Amino acid sequence: GENVEQHPSTLSVQEGDSAVIKCTYSDSASNYFPWYKQELGKGPQLIIDIRSNVGEKKDQRIAVTLNKTAKHFSLHITETQPEDSAVYFCAARRGGGSNYKLTFGKGTLLTVNP
Amino acid sequence: EAQVTQNPRYLITVTGKKLTVTCSQNMNHEYMSWYRQDPGLGLRQIYYSMNVEVTDKGDVPEGYKVSRKEKRNFPLILESPSPNQTSLYFCASTGTSGTGEQFFGPGTRLTVL
Repeated sequence: GENVEQHPSTLSVQEGDSAVIKCTYSDSASNYFPWYKQELGKGPQLIIDIRSNVGEKKDQRIAVTLNKTAKHFSLHITETQPEDSAVYFCAARRGGGSNYKLTFGKGTLLTVNP
Repeated sequence: EAQVTQNPRYLITVTGKKLTVTCSQNMNHEYMSWYRQDPGLGLRQIYYSMNVEVTDKGDVPEGYKVSRKEKRNFPLILESPSPNQTSLYFCASTGTSGTGEQFFGPGTRLTVL
């Protein structure tokens, strides 16, 4: 089955700096790659996603890049703010079939220091 | 407001006492799923359902049951809970048309003593 590796497990940055989180996946049939933000006491919330027919997607301060050949994708947050502090999860989903299961990375705890 | 709700949010119980965690979504989604989240292991799928009366096992189904009698509801049942089922549980739903975004509930923190 699919395996998703996520690095780093913890990341501490100063407010205003950029943060980058990287993930690799194993299943070449995966074609959907969402990123979730999880704040304390809440469920994961989708912040951005990318499909395998696109190499890059941007939404204000957040961007995701995908390299299908190397099977890795990354989350980039620019001009970080204290409210960006949370746990971030990458995930991958296989195309086709009846299960919309997401295979998650183990998460990155991002701390943005004021 | 589009949302997935779960109840209870917190539950402490004892080994062997049957319990049910409810999940409901108001988005008319066909697909629903349960995950458990454990430190160092991320989120792992327990069961999923493609539609009413259609359910199947995920990666870690042992010790759990589910049912899908109505489209909006997908309860998780622990017939005889054990301490290794102490975890944070999330229900999720996805529309099978459109973006395929998966929406998560707020979580249920279960402790089995």
